[in-house]
Amino acid sequence: SQQGEEDPQALSIQEGENATMNCSYKTSINNLQWYRQNSGRGLVHLILIRSNEREKHSGRLRVTLDTSKKSSSLLITASRAADTASYFCATSRAPPYNTDKLIFGTGTRLQVFP
Amino acid sequence: GAVVSQHPSWVICKSGTSVKIECRSLDFQATTMFWYRQFPKQSLMLMATSNEGSKATYEQGVEKDKFLINHASLTLSTLTVTSAHPEDSSFYICSARGIATGAYEQYFGPGTRLTVT
Repeated sequence: SQQGEEDPQALSIQEGENATMNCSYKTSINNLQWYRQNSGRGLVHLILIRSNEREKHSGRLRVTLDTSKKSSSLLITASRAADTASYFCATSRAPPYNTDKLIFGTGTRLQVFP
Repeated sequence: GAVVSQHPSWVICKSGTSVKIECRSLDFQATTMFWYRQFPKQSLMLMATSNEGSKATYEQGVEKDKFLINHASLTLSTLTVTSAHPEDSSFYICSARGIATGAYEQYFGPGTRLTVT
């Protein structure tokens, strides 16, 4: 299976704490993306990091990418109850494969308690 | 910007009937649309990719005669589940990508929950 894996599967923290989620994948990639999904809803794009980038920031989000270990992490700082959701990483394989296709990880369910 | 809608939000149908799900890009032209299905507490699995005006490309194991995809315009794609059976019950999500939305990011609709009785 090409599907990536994320850990932890589930994470519960208090508001104000940081949340770290990890994603591992199996093939060479063109880019890696993180998405958030609220229960029973569609996905919201959070951040994209290209294969030649090592770190990227967006607001309270920090993403790192280690292509040698085929892994990425998503850090949410100063978490809020509204951050409660499932978080998925998704990889786009490197050419000659179809870079359009996203392969989603198994997801991390984050719960932030007020 | 980059809003994608789906209709209906949920549908219950009887076994053997067909169901059509619409996916629309509301404020951009979607050159490519993607259809996924998601089982409870699981990840998204890509079913097919469609480019406007051409036939959809189905993933391995997805029956093209059962899941009919049409992408007739730059703002609309439809997925028709033909002769639905209870095992087709799932959460179906579309996503779209266009020239104006970036090379790789996909923008997702809110999903359609299908229950086949």
